[in-house]
Amino acid sequence: EDKVVQSPLSLVVHEGDTVTLNCSYEVTNFRSLLWYKQEKKAPTFLFMLTSSGIEKKSGRLSSILDKKELFSILNITATQTGDSAIYLCAVTAGNQFYFGTGTSLTVIP
Amino acid sequence: NAGVMQNPRHLVRRRGQEARLRCSPMKGHSHVYWYRQLPEEGLKFMVYLQKENIIDESGMPKERFSAEFPKEGPSILRIQQVVRGDSAAYFCASSPGVTDTQYFGPGTRLTVL
Repeated sequence: EDKVVQSPLSLVVHEGDTVTLNCSYEVTNFRSLLWYKQEKKAPTFLFMLTSSGIEKKSGRLSSILDKKELFSILNITATQTGDSAIYLCAVTAGNQFYFGTGTSLTVIP
Repeated sequence: NAGVMQNPRHLVRRRGQEARLRCSPMKGHSHVYWYRQLPEEGLKFMVYLQKENIIDESGMPKERFSAEFPKEGPSILRIQQVVRGDSAAYFCASSPGVTDTQYFGPGTRLTVL
């Protein structure tokens, strides 16, 4: 059965720390992997990854995909309290869209 | 505990017809969210409902689209007089509370011919 697994489930860090969030997947006909930041209302799109080894970067956030080992990581450097959110990973495979359950990140001042 | 259920999984409509998409939240969840997946952009928020109430419909087009979450039964996203541009995947998510993790359904893929 196709699935997307994120780890850790939750994480508490201090401001300034660097965090790495993990997403592993097991799907057939993989097309892309997407990262979202979910705050109160709706997930905010962060990155879409389709190719292995190419890092995508946006400010303090970066992400990379390993299609051989079937995982992706999302890095956040110099964390701020505004980074506190749930980070969702989703994988598109064929015509399907699979979500992980998310990693809840709390950044303490 | 079954996850979020959506049906149908695939729906084909001709221009001008109506589309009805259903979402049954996880047991114990009273908050439902509808999203539309656009290519290259990921999910776009449409509407947030609690039982019998629309809390936030700021992402939903003003015309032809409506949503409800009755006291009994699933939440329904209704699109009247569909056009080709409505073709997309529509996802529903549910949560026990507004600040809780949203659990997503498998989506309904709407194709308008």
